[in-house]
Amino acid sequence: EAGVAQSPRYKIIEKRQSVAFWCNPISGHATLYWYQQILGQGPKLLIQFQNNGVVDDSQLPKDRFSAERLKGVDSTLKIQPAKLEDSAVYLCASSSWGPNTEAFFGQGTRLTVV
Amino acid sequence: AQSVTQLGSHVSVSEGALVLLRCNYSSSVPPYLFWYVQYPNQGLQLLLKYTSAATLVKGINGFEAEFKKSETSFHLTKPSAHMSDAAEYFCAVSWMDSSYKLIFGSGTRLLVRP
Repeated sequence: EAGVAQSPRYKIIEKRQSVAFWCNPISGHATLYWYQQILGQGPKLLIQFQNNGVVDDSQLPKDRFSAERLKGVDSTLKIQPAKLEDSAVYLCASSSWGPNTEAFFGQGTRLTVV
Repeated sequence: AQSVTQLGSHVSVSEGALVLLRCNYSSSVPPYLFWYVQYPNQGLQLLLKYTSAATLVKGINGFEAEFKKSETSFHLTKPSAHMSDAAEYFCAVSWMDSSYKLIFGSGTRLLVRP
């Protein structure tokens, strides 16, 4: 089966600019996650969707980050305006809903803010 | 509060030696437990997960983990390290009462010496 697709793979922007990342989950997966992984750290959950509804966005910096999952399939994560500390790898993952289900990860988007 | 802790940001072993990576969780309710591996510039891949069918879980590449409820631990082991095992390893947990939000530990980088 096709995996989780993310684009772009790499992005370099200047601080205060805006950027958007796109994720296409595995077909049929109801749950979609966005994680931020700063170099040397574990993935930090930014937002979790169940179909097109938000389950948890408690760690999403809502003054600059936004995410949507229209029609419960693809998702976009936007940063506006970007700060230097947003430099990280942004990982998208998807899974079936329910206990003990495996999350499948995309390759990630490496963002560098200069 | 629910959390997961990985002791040791770096573990170095000789090729052929035992690998032991530690993971502890903090929760009043039993979590669902996972180990993921991340090779350089790649996404995360599931190594194994605890299914409650058995406390000792076998995963891919010869890794296994044992769930010990009394110690709130889920340590990852491999009897004999191989050079190809060098990677970053993440313990992850989720709970039914938090909508299966998947939370990661800070990770342990495994170095294998020839």
